[in-house]
Amino acid sequence: AQSVAQPEDQVNVAEGNPLTVKCTYSVSGNPYLFWYVQYPNRGLQFLLKYITGDNLVKGSYGFEAEFNKSQTSFHLKKPSALVSDSALYFCAGRGFGNEKLTFGTGTRLTIIP
Amino acid sequence: GAGVSQSPSNKVTEKGKDVELRCDPISGHTALYWYRQSLGQGLEFLIYFQGNSAPDKSGLPSDRFSAERTGGSVSTLTIQRTQQEDSAVYLCASSLEGTGSYNEQFFGPGTRLTVL
Repeated sequence: AQSVAQPEDQVNVAEGNPLTVKCTYSVSGNPYLFWYVQYPNRGLQFLLKYITGDNLVKGSYGFEAEFNKSQTSFHLKKPSALVSDSALYFCAGRGFGNEKLTFGTGTRLTIIP
Repeated sequence: GAGVSQSPSNKVTEKGKDVELRCDPISGHTALYWYRQSLGQGLEFLIYFQGNSAPDKSGLPSDRFSAERTGGSVSTLTIQRTQQEDSAVYLCASSLEGTGSYNEQFFGPGTRLTVL
């Protein structure tokens, strides 16, 4: 069975500082990994994905994520946090050929002015 | 272009009543997914459609839950004899293609269901 873990329920970062939201995964075969963001009272928005190739993936709103196969991690990062980045972030993953996308439990990111 | 739309946005019902939730996927998206998001929880997979067929119904919590998709487009999720534990936000998503693809899913705004 595949699984995705987000070990931190809450992350607080001062505005302008770098941020990291952690994610680890367990899937069969090559992983497809995704990050989504959810703003209050809105659906999930796609940020970025890793399929193959370069381990550093760049996405929307200045976010990037680093795929680390040996650590089975896919942490979300941003060099300089904005207050508007405050939201709920979900990591998701699936193995090749498995249509079921498994989500982590989410990490609430709060950027402190 | 239009995104995924869901209706109603909010639904309040009494315990024991049946409810129908509707999802309109992005035009041309052949794959459609239903998820449930409870307060403080992650997303729980319910069912997946490829075209009109549902190869994976493993996430449906009980036989009170059913879903269908017609014309490879609109989908309805039906909950019969609703219970208070069914209260949640029901999210629909669609994506290009299905099996073996790596396409991201596009989510609708959700239907907030409250069972009194």
